[in-house]
Amino acid sequence: EVQLVESGGGLVQPGGSLRLSCAASGFTFSSYWMHWVRQAPGKGLVWVSHIIGGGSRISYADSVKGRFTISRDNAKNTLYLQMNSLRAEDTAMYYCARDYGYSGYDWGQGTLVTVSS
Amino acid sequence: QSALTQPPSVSGSPGQSVTISCTGTSSDVGSYNRVSWYQQPPGTAPKVMIYEVTNRPSGVPDRFSGSKSGNTASLTISGLQAEDEADYYCSSYTSSNTWVFGGGTKLTVL
Repeated sequence: EVQLVESGGGLVQPGGSLRLSCAASGFTFSSYWMHWVRQAPGKGLVWVSHIIGGGSRISYADSVKGRFTISRDNAKNTLYLQMNSLRAEDTAMYYCARDYGYSGYDWGQGTLVTVSS
Repeated sequence: QSALTQPPSVSGSPGQSVTISCTGTSSDVGSYNRVSWYQQPPGTAPKVMIYEVTNRPSGVPDRFSGSKSGNTASLTISGLQAEDEADYYCSSYTSSNTWVFGGGTKLTVL
């Protein structure tokens, strides 16, 4: 059974940093592209970033480019999202998702990030 | 990276069919058969219902179907059931090697 478990969320001040993790199990992690998707409270889904299985190709939404960094450790079956220069508008539930057919095929339960002073 | 356009809400009675549209551009929906649809009941993580325009993951009822014409994709739910009440989102791969979601549609089962 595919499992994705996000962690690392919390309360951070504007301008601060957080690193999110997504622990994967139940599939060959290194073979799959992975995504981060976020959802502000009461709002819709917004795609954040994507990384291919080997980690050599990465893409970002314009809203986070230059501030967020996606990475993965295939030996640890873990996906990361380093978030710097956080803003109030980054407040959201952050989900990791396994890609299949260019879709978010499996999703974690999310980790909540709150940016506030 | 403008969001795909979905109607804010749709509704239908049990047993009826409803269709949710998702309009993009020639840089996303119109150029790739890489449109997916997600169901999200309140307080839960999204669940993929359709991927690559028409493909249904195992376990998703065949009452759910997808299609595409030009820059617009559609999700049709036939034989509507109370458990189908949720928010629905479309998503598409884009020519910039990014993904974009629609704004979401709230489905109410009357």
